[in-house]
Amino acid sequence: QKEVEQDPGPLSVPEGAIVSLNCTYSNSAFQYFMWYRQYSRKGPELLMYTYSSGNKEDGRFTAQVDKSSKYISLFIRDSQPSDSATYLCAMSSFPHNQGGKLIFGQGTELSVKP
Amino acid sequence: DTAVSQTPKYLVTQMGNDKSIKCEQNLGHDTMYWYKQDSKKFLKIMFSYNNKELIINETVPNRFSPKSPDKAHLNLHINSLELGDSAVYFCASSQVPRVGSADTQYFGPGTRLTVL
Repeated sequence: QKEVEQDPGPLSVPEGAIVSLNCTYSNSAFQYFMWYRQYSRKGPELLMYTYSSGNKEDGRFTAQVDKSSKYISLFIRDSQPSDSATYLCAMSSFPHNQGGKLIFGQGTELSVKP
Repeated sequence: DTAVSQTPKYLVTQMGNDKSIKCEQNLGHDTMYWYKQDSKKFLKIMFSYNNKELIINETVPNRFSPKSPDKAHLNLHINSLELGDSAVYFCASSQVPRVGSADTQYFGPGTRLTVL
């Protein structure tokens, strides 16, 4: 079993839909949770970051962490065709300067149709 | 200006050859990484260097050898290439985060390696 599980999709939604992307994990030591967005043929870029449990909102994006269930989510409101990309969750136990390393999910491929 | 750059972008080579990929970051970061992304988009860390010192060395065949001549550069040399080495290799860099801040890694555009 992988440390981080993520449904690879693909997920196709109409423009304006609310998108829900999720990851589950097995390592209870994880406390840094991130969502990266990767456009086709590009490198991943950090979209959202959450430390420990709770919610974080940034514009149309909301990240949620439920450590008791070992479950994290990314919600995209009013989805746009420009949101079409692969979304990767990532998590670590410590910052890199304390020996931590990012463990990535497989990524969910999202397509938003006009 | 490109923050993290890699060369080449594409690399097609025969099995058994030796090849290198170069990475440079102009962000002033102290840590650099190599990741491998397979055909299923699974991204996995291979190595990390902090101020030219090897920090993370995952279970990677010793045909892969990273080299960091200075903290702005991290190169990856691969000996005796195999079919299974075909993947996209990403370089990344990051800075020591403030307490409670994101440990943000900035990724390069990737090098698509195809071994024939």
